[in-house]
Amino acid sequence: EPEVTQTPSHQVTQMGQEVILRCVPISNHLYFYWYRQILGQKVEFLVSFYNNEISEKSEIFDDQFSVERPDGSNFTLKIRSTKLEDSAMYFCASMAQGAGHEKLFFGSGTQLSVL
Amino acid sequence: AQSVTQLGSHVSVSEGALVLLRCNYSSSVPPYLFWYVQYPNQGLQLLLKYTSAATLVKGINGFEAEFKKSETSFHLTKPSAHMSDAAEYFCAVSALEGGSEKLVFGKGTKLTVNP
Repeated sequence: EPEVTQTPSHQVTQMGQEVILRCVPISNHLYFYWYRQILGQKVEFLVSFYNNEISEKSEIFDDQFSVERPDGSNFTLKIRSTKLEDSAMYFCASMAQGAGHEKLFFGSGTQLSVL
Repeated sequence: AQSVTQLGSHVSVSEGALVLLRCNYSSSVPPYLFWYVQYPNQGLQLLLKYTSAATLVKGINGFEAEFKKSETSFHLTKPSAHMSDAAEYFCAVSALEGGSEKLVFGKGTKLTVNP
């Protein structure tokens, strides 16, 4: 079965450093998402991406965050200057054109720890 | 705006016992409702979804959920728990199917199954 791949599985960084979280969506999918889950809290929507641009973003997704699809296969989330409160599990997801959310596939997540 | 509330962050049952995980939703428009499961070190996997067809929805691994509009509930049940059901379960709601519409998740319920 096709799967969404996220790397690394764990990332530890110092406060103020830049991090890039990488995702390889399923190859024929066109909609891409980032969600995050702070320990003990809800899974929260960050951003959706379609046709090489952001289609929707949450209040969490401020100027410190950016997304990119640099080479047609990877989908990255960059945090420019990490804060302690950015520590969370970050999930990437992708979905095919015209599919409902039953066709939304999630990766296994990247656990980001900001020290 | 949509939201979900999952009652009980931890539920513990004996193997073979009934599993009942509670979810109440709030939505200003007819909702689409989902249950996801997260096994340790894995991504979010769709268990089942409700999209305004049958109110009793059957999913994978013997789980089912019933949409009750009068109670604004979408509780997840399984008649007989198995050790392999131990995981975290998330209820989610969206207003539209397909496209870039985001999912809004509950905080999750961790299910423990005792031998």
